[in-house]
Amino acid sequence: DGGITQSPKYLFRKEGQNVTLSCEQNLNHDAMYWYRQDPGQGLRLIYYSQIVNDFQKGDIAEGYSVSREKKESFPLTVTSAQKNPTAFYLCASSIFLTADTQYFGPGTRLTVL
Amino acid sequence: RKEVEQDPGPFNVPEGATVAFNCTYSNSASQSFFWYRQDCRKEPKLLMSVYSSGNEDGRFTAQLNRASQYISLLIRDSKLSDSATYLCVVNIDDYKLSFGAGTTVTVRA
Repeated sequence: DGGITQSPKYLFRKEGQNVTLSCEQNLNHDAMYWYRQDPGQGLRLIYYSQIVNDFQKGDIAEGYSVSREKKESFPLTVTSAQKNPTAFYLCASSIFLTADTQYFGPGTRLTVL
Repeated sequence: RKEVEQDPGPFNVPEGATVAFNCTYSNSASQSFFWYRQDCRKEPKLLMSVYSSGNEDGRFTAQLNRASQYISLLIRDSKLSDSATYLCVVNIDDYKLSFGAGTTVTVRA
């Protein structure tokens, strides 16, 4: 079955800790994205990547970091510099980096204690 | 002005009814339009792309009005399973999409 997986489903973080959210896809898509969703708001783009070892900041990159060492994987680290990290984090992919259909993973719900 | 704006609803309709709602976008150069469906605490899933000529997929019809810069979604013969939040998605440049906050539809028995 082709698709996008994210882990963990739920994550609890203490203030001052860095945490890493996993995103893996087996769709052979070139482009991958990280979004954040807060209640009552649209998805906001954190980072995106077109190819391996290349990624770009989105609209709200401060306090986050990413890597793209493999085509299939695009992990997101939420650092202690992110002041309000509690949110629903969604990873997505698309065939190419174009404004076209994106497919989403099931998401990780992060809560800061 | 927000890039994509939607009426948050909720639209409460009985089973079998027709419900329709719009989404406005700010960038007149936008070329790609989509409707996604998001169930509570789940990921968004593509419902349909929206083409210039309008398109239909079963009970769902999407229309694009470029002159007034809005897209619409109409659901006919509503089912309980249609209860969800519908996200309007529009491209803001060649690479990025902008997601509306969603319109919530609740279908009651």
